[in-house]
Amino acid sequence: EVQLVESGGGLVQPGGSLRLSCSASGFTFSSYAMHWVRQAPGKGLEYVSAITSNGRSTYYTDSFKGRFTISRDNSRNTVSLQMSSLRSEDTAVYYCVKGTEFYSDSRPDYWGQGILVTVSS
Amino acid sequence: DIQMTQSPSTLSASVGDRVTITCRASQSASTWVAWYQQKPGKAPKLLVYKASTLESGVPSRFSGSGSGTEFTLTISSLQPDDFATYYCQQYNSYWTFGQGTKVE
Repeated sequence: EVQLVESGGGLVQPGGSLRLSCSASGFTFSSYAMHWVRQAPGKGLEYVSAITSNGRSTYYTDSFKGRFTISRDNSRNTVSLQMSSLRSEDTAVYYCVKGTEFYSDSRPDYWGQGILVTVSS
Repeated sequence: DIQMTQSPSTLSASVGDRVTITCRASQSASTWVAWYQQKPGKAPKLLVYKASTLESGVPSRFSGSGSGTEFTLTISSLQPDDFATYYCQQYNSYWTFGQGTKVE
């Protein structure tokens, strides 16, 4: 059974940093691209970032370039999202999502349960 | 980047109604479009991928169609469990989501 479990969320002050992690199991992690999608309270889904299966290529939606960094450790079946210079608008549930291919343009098939990040003083 | 414009943003319907939600892409997404259902506090649930392929286990009252820049999700006969928010997504060039349609 595929499982994606996010961790690392919580309350952070504006301007602060936070690192989200997603622990994957139930599939060959090193064969698939991984993604982060977020959803602000009461808002729609927003694509954040992607990383290819081998970690050599990453993608960020313009809003997150320079502030967020995606990475993966295929030996530990983990994908991470390092977030810095956080602002109140980054308050959201962050979802870890598995792709169906090694490249980033493949469709998603499994979503984590999501983790809440709250940016507030 | 491909933008997805979804309409309507809210849809009022009754049990048994035929419901249609539309997504328009700013440039061709070929057939690389998916549709999701989301209920409060839950992760999105995949309904349709590759524009018209029904995900395993999804009731046959759901169907998707379209190609290029125009895509449609249809619920043939709305059921009580179908009141939710629906999103389209393109994955032709990375990912983009529509703004969502709340069916109430």
